Parts: sequence; structure tokens; C-alpha cells
Amino acid sequence: DAKTTQPPSMDCAEGRAANLPCNHSTISGNEYVYWYRQIHSQGPQYIIHGLKNNETNEMASLIITEDRKSSTLILPHATLRDTAVYYCIVRVFKAAGNKLTFGGGTRVLVKP
Amino acid sequence: NAGVTQTPKFQVLKTGQSMTLQCAQDMNHEYMSWYRQDPGMGLRLIHYSVGAGITDQGEVPNGYNVSRSTTEDFPLRLLSAAPSQTSVYFCASSYSKASGSLAKNIQYFGAGTRLSVL
Repeated sequence: DAKTTQPPSMDCAEGRAANLPCNHSTISGNEYVYWYRQIHSQGPQYIIHGLKNNETNEMASLIITEDRKSSTLILPHATLRDTAVYYCIVRVFKAAGNKLTFGGGTRVLVKP
Repeated sequence: NAGVTQTPKFQVLKTGQSMTLQCAQDMNHEYMSWYRQDPGMGLRLIHYSVGAGITDQGEVPNGYNVSRSTTEDFPLRLLSAAPSQTSVYFCASSYSKASGSLAKNIQYFGAGTRLSVL
């Protein structure tokens, strides 16, 4: 699975959009970009994933550059409950196996 | 629908003791796994299972055993606890869906077991 690079931390104002970058310059054509987050003391939570196109769900939007070497997770209206560590993970789809490799992630602090 | 349930939530052991961390899921997921998370670090895979009767090692398997006799349950056994095994343990289950243009593997995690070995 491709290596990812994320900033170690960032702050965001409550109610504003939070834009979390992720670099994955060695991504291959069959690798997906997944985002998970971990709120303090809880298990990680799936947010969104994508392959080539931009994706949106009830939690966030995922913007993937045309060359797929980087992506941005957007939390449209950050709340205090969005304070968490956000992990960007790149991996292939495997029907029979699903090992996730968690890097350092980005520690996001949403401030009032 | 309970999702992934881990018990106990907290446990203190003495060096050399053995114990089993329980994990159960009610989503009929084939894939289950155990991770450990040390302070300030990401999750590391201990063992995983792709279905009942099938298990395999992750990146940090030493000192741990697993078995998968049913789809629902995936217990993690510490054979002889050591202080280095003090950590938070997370169990996860997942399903795969290879359909449409966006195949998916999504993992669901339990709330964790906080283990201290003295």
C-alpha cells in the first residue's frame, strides 16, 4: 500500500470548513484513498473513501486531484465534536482481506 | 444492532498472567482483526481472520493467540502477560462490496479494551 503524508496537526474554527490535506504521490492505479478518524479514547471511525472522482457523504467531502497524488478531506461545518485524529490511508481493494495501516494522522482541534 | 462489542473495557494484569479479550460482532462480517494502540501512536495489526476457521498474523503477533470458531466471535488471548503489552486493544470487523465503480472495504471498530500489565 502506498505511503501517505499528512500534517501532524491543525486548528479549525467552529462552524468553518476544515480542509485536511494528504499526499500520496506513489499511489497506484488500483489503490483507493480512505479516511478514518479517531476521537479521543474511541475506536477509529470510517468517514469516506474514493478512487478517482470526488465523493461526498453525510459526514464529509473528498477531493482527489486529477493525477491522484494528493487529496483533501473537507468537513464542511466543523463542530467541537469533530476534534479528533484524522487518518488518510491508501490501499487496494481486497475482497478477502482488509488490513489497514495507520500512520501518524492529523490531529485536528476545533476551537469555539 | 450492537456493531462490534469488546469486553472487558478495562483490565489490570500481573506479569505472567493470562487472559482473553473478547470481541463479538453482529453484522455477519467475514473479516475481523485485532489492533493495539500505544500512547501517541497509530494502530498496529496483531492478528486477523478472513473467515471462521482462518486466522493469520499481523505485524506484531508475538505473545498473542487468536482463534475464529464462529463468524461472530474473535477472541484475543494473552498467553503470559508482559508490561510491554500494556496498551489499548481494538477489535474491528469489515465487509467487502465489489460492485459498481466504487468497491468498498469498510472497517467497524469496537470501543477498545484498556489493558495494564504490572
